[in-house]
Amino acid sequence: ETGVTQSPTHLIKTRGQQVTLRCSSQSGHNTVSWYQQALGQGPQFIFQYYREEENGRGNFPPRFSGLQFPNYSSELNVNALELDDSALYLCASSLRLGSSTDTQYFGPGTRLTVL
Amino acid sequence: QKEVEQNSGPLSVPEGAIASLNCTYSDRVSQSFFWYRQYSGKSPELIMSIYSNGDKEDGRFTAQLNKASQYVSLLIRDSQPSDSATYLCAVNSLAYGQNFVFGPGTRLSVLP
Repeated sequence: ETGVTQSPTHLIKTRGQQVTLRCSSQSGHNTVSWYQQALGQGPQFIFQYYREEENGRGNFPPRFSGLQFPNYSSELNVNALELDDSALYLCASSLRLGSSTDTQYFGPGTRLTVL
Repeated sequence: QKEVEQNSGPLSVPEGAIASLNCTYSDRVSQSFFWYRQYSGKSPELIMSIYSNGDKEDGRFTAQLNKASQYVSLLIRDSQPSDSATYLCAVNSLAYGQNFVFGPGTRLSVLP
């Protein structure tokens, strides 16, 4: 157990809808990173939030957005869902000191299916 | 060239053997390297981190780092069927603001 929680566990949406995924970070951690993992592939970095601001973004379109709250929990929002958005969405928390990202600990993930 | 590459699997080894997993990376200024294990349907769990050239041992696991060759490996000694999983190499990347880039993973099967 890493102490990182995510909700919901599973989600089914239809194309064009919007979805919000939630993550609570491990106690003492100030940074949350989000990843998309398609079947059979490694996690792909979406973005990171540090002290409530986006701190780095991968090659994902603007319809992927996020928030971090003062308690360091976070949300991932995806608008205008596409079939290819079907994946496991992972949240990872870490303690960021200075410019480097320290060890990341993953939550159990949210499995999103887009029909 | 992909930023992080891993040896293609699946890799099958008999129980009790040494499993060797390899990873190469393209960002020369990367400083932190991590190995994660992921069981089917589960999220990645940290096995080891390594920051300096050389070997780092933790129980049956040994991570090896060679920054000059941009190469990191994971050795699993006395492999057990419970080690059967996908192993992910992660590297911090300047291109992503020092965030992690993962390799595609290597699937390991340990045969009883």
